[in-house]
Amino acid sequence: KNEVEQSPQNLTAQEGEFITINCSYSVGISALHWLQQHPGGGIVSLFMLSSGKKKHGRLIATINIQEKHSSLHITASHPRDSAVYICAVRWTIKAAGNKLTFGGGTRVLVKP
Amino acid sequence: DAGVIQSPRHEVTEMGQEVTLRCKPISGHNSLFWYRQTMMRGLELLIYFNNNVPIDDSGMPEDRFSAKMPNASFSTLKIQPSEPRDSAVYFCASSWGGVYETQYFGPGTRLLVL
Repeated sequence: KNEVEQSPQNLTAQEGEFITINCSYSVGISALHWLQQHPGGGIVSLFMLSSGKKKHGRLIATINIQEKHSSLHITASHPRDSAVYICAVRWTIKAAGNKLTFGGGTRVLVKP
Repeated sequence: DAGVIQSPRHEVTEMGQEVTLRCKPISGHNSLFWYRQTMMRGLELLIYFNNNVPIDDSGMPEDRFSAKMPNASFSTLKIQPSEPRDSAVYFCASSWGGVYETQYFGPGTRLLVL
């Protein structure tokens, strides 16, 4: 079964702390997305990765294809980073087609 | 740029009624995605269009759901007849280049079927 697991499910941090969210998947992928869903429900696409590392502001996303694992790091966290972070993968197996499979999300709360 | 536009933002209807959700993608984008989000199942991709053609509709739950994209600037997701279990937030997203490119999400339509 093709699965995407995120950890932790919930995370509380103090403003300024370094945050790491993890995403593991069961079989080979061709692309992995990190999404951010704000408390109001809006969704923003943060990164699309197929290898290596990407950085945007205080956000860094890495992927290790061999270990089937990706991490999203938030440096110098701020209360406005409070959101649900979701990873989604596109499998390489032909039977999966173009389907994206989503992790269950990590709810992040950054306290001032 | 106005971003992805969805309408209505909220919809409350009774079981058995037809529901039509609308989406206007970002101008110039050639891929459009419909997603559904519920507490139980999280985010799910329902259907994906590329150049107005449905590429993958394997996520469409059943025959009661249908989606169309008559032109590059408009898509609809229709549920007929609606059921309480269809209650969810439905997101539309668009991108230039399909699943390998950054997707831009609309604000979502919150649907409640009574």
